[in-house]
Amino acid sequence: EAGVAQSPRYKIIEKRQSVAFWCNPISGHATLYWYQQILGQGPKLLIQFQNNGVVDDSQLPKDRFSAERLKGVDSTLKIQPAKLEDSAVYLCASSLVVLASPLHFGNGTRLTVT
Amino acid sequence: GIQVEQSPPDLILQEGANSTLRCNFSDSVNNLQWFHQNPWGQLINLFYIPSGTKQNGRLSATTVATERYSLLYISSSQTTDSGVYFCAVGTMDDYKLSFGAGTTVTVRA
Repeated sequence: EAGVAQSPRYKIIEKRQSVAFWCNPISGHATLYWYQQILGQGPKLLIQFQNNGVVDDSQLPKDRFSAERLKGVDSTLKIQPAKLEDSAVYLCASSLVVLASPLHFGNGTRLTVT
Repeated sequence: GIQVEQSPPDLILQEGANSTLRCNFSDSVNNLQWFHQNPWGQLINLFYIPSGTKQNGRLSATTVATERYSLLYISSSQTTDSGVYFCAVGTMDDYKLSFGAGTTVTVRA
């Protein structure tokens, strides 16, 4: 079974620029998550989709972050404009159903904002 | 939201030693998972264990939901066990899976 695919693997941008991350979940997984992991901390949930609907986006900084999951499969997370504090690893994860099944993570995108 | 506390924060082991990691949580949960983040950053799901006991090779986990804690056991540790171990919990009232701060394990040869 193919795992969660993410791209790019690394990204370096200047503050105030925009950036987009892409995620393809495990086939058949209805639930997709975007997490932000700052160095030395545990992952923090940004947004959670069930199929193509948003289940939770309470911790997403909506003035600069946006995410979509078209057709309930692939997802894109965008930051515009980026701030220095957005430097982190952005992790995508998927699970078969919400809450009741194991979470599987992609390799993440390491973002550096200079 | 639910609070998740992991202990100890850091653990240094000699190869071959056994260890126990603990995860305490502040509310009733119906979802608890353990993850290992290796030195290259990859997060691997070890256990989905909202209650009971499971074993996978040298690793085992026990969750006592009524007492709000879970334990992860590592036996005969190997250098490849090094990394950060995270506990994550979720409740039916809140669909979020909340992560603890992690336990950093270093296994020395």
